[in-house]
Amino acid sequence: DAMVIQNPRYQVTQFGKPVTLSCSQTLNHNVMYWYQQKSSQAPKLLFHYYDKDFNNEADTPDNFQSRRPNTSFCFLDIRSPGLGDAAMYLCATKRDHPETQYFGPGTRLLVL
Amino acid sequence: AQSVTQLDSHVSVSEGTPVLLRCNYSSSYSPSLFWYVQHPNKGLQLLLKYTSAATLVKGINGFEAEFKKSETSFHLTKPSAHMSDAAEYFCVVSKNTDKLIFGTGTRLQVFP
Repeated sequence: DAMVIQNPRYQVTQFGKPVTLSCSQTLNHNVMYWYQQKSSQAPKLLFHYYDKDFNNEADTPDNFQSRRPNTSFCFLDIRSPGLGDAAMYLCATKRDHPETQYFGPGTRLLVL
Repeated sequence: AQSVTQLDSHVSVSEGTPVLLRCNYSSSYSPSLFWYVQHPNKGLQLLLKYTSAATLVKGINGFEAEFKKSETSFHLTKPSAHMSDAAEYFCVVSKNTDKLIFGTGTRLQVFP
């Protein structure tokens, strides 16, 4: 089945130690998104790629970076994780049209 | 500007009774509206979407929603709740073709 895959499902890191989260998709969608979701809150968009074009949200901290080496893969890099970065990180994809986004299962990040 | 308001943060029902999750939207043009469901520690799953076709939209797992322009509402219903329906539900409007605006979520509890 075509799908959005996120690895790992759970990630534990230390305060200040860089961490990378991975997303891959077999849907051949050209748009990919990264969201941060804290407990009992709605997902918050961090950034998205439209093909190779990177679109950062204005309030996304510089500590968060992303890479998209090809259509299928997208990475979220957190350069110096703080305790406040502990959250669920969701990847989503879509085609140009329609607007429907398809989400992966998420990676839960714990910062010690 | 587009926005959605989920009128209830928590809804509790007994198994076998109807479910009603309320959502009002604000949009300057004909919106695309979605309901997503999120089970604990999982990603978001699309339940259904409205994109200006039929006003009554049928989704997965017996859920449906009716788009009412006069009331600016898009309430989610199910005739008979099942224990497996217990989850967080998000009403979402498309800001443009690339971004989604999420409601604050409604937590559905189902009692035996």
